Amino acid sequence: DAGVTQSPTHLIKTRGQHVTLRCSPISGHKSVSWYQQVLGQGPQFIFQYYEKEERGRGNFPDRFSARQFPNYSSELNVNALLLGDSALYLCASSLSPVGGNSGNTIYFGEGSWLTVV
Amino acid sequence: GENVEQHPSTLSVQEGDSAVIKCTYSDSASNYFPWYKQELGKRPQLIIDIRSNVGEKKDQRIAVTLNKTAKHFSLHITETQPEDSAVYFCAARPTGGGNKLTFGTGTQLKVEL
Repeated sequence: DAGVTQSPTHLIKTRGQHVTLRCSPISGHKSVSWYQQVLGQGPQFIFQYYEKEERGRGNFPDRFSARQFPNYSSELNVNALLLGDSALYLCASSLSPVGGNSGNTIYFGEGSWLTVV
Repeated sequence: GENVEQHPSTLSVQEGDSAVIKCTYSDSASNYFPWYKQELGKRPQLIIDIRSNVGEKKDQRIAVTLNKTAKHFSLHITETQPEDSAVYFCAARPTGGGNKLTFGTGTQLKVEL
């Protein structure tokens, strides 16, 4: 499951600032999703993108936005940072968003550790 | 939406014993159930998954069982080793759900020597 790359790996921001996190999926994968993992909890789904279009959104405020580029890489943007945004942000990739009975295995990157102070 | 419950939250076993972690899901449309292992400070790593058209899947010391009627699935680890110590997450994805996984709350497994 190697191959999903994320940057930066660690960063510290102050409240009210903006942050951009980046992700490159496994070669050949066209679908990218973003998850937020707060310490001690399971990952929470934020967004899914496929072919540059948003295909799903979790229960997160409009301060969170994302986009996917023609090369299938993706950015997650968070505006007006709050202390509660401190978390590990995970990017996941799969071949396509199509589920079905065959499904598509989802692989996670190493994540970006965001600390808001 | 989907809700996944996971038990126990912590599990301590002796090396060589078996460990079982159980999850239940609420959405009968869910058809894909992966299990992830997460070591401290690292990403979740897929260890095994099962799709709704099968009831059991094994990979060496790890197995997963699925009961669609009861809407629960379990992870079984046999002959546990110290390196199995980690947090384990179950997850579920509905048909057509793409990459949208709903995760359980995690189980901290500790394998003691």
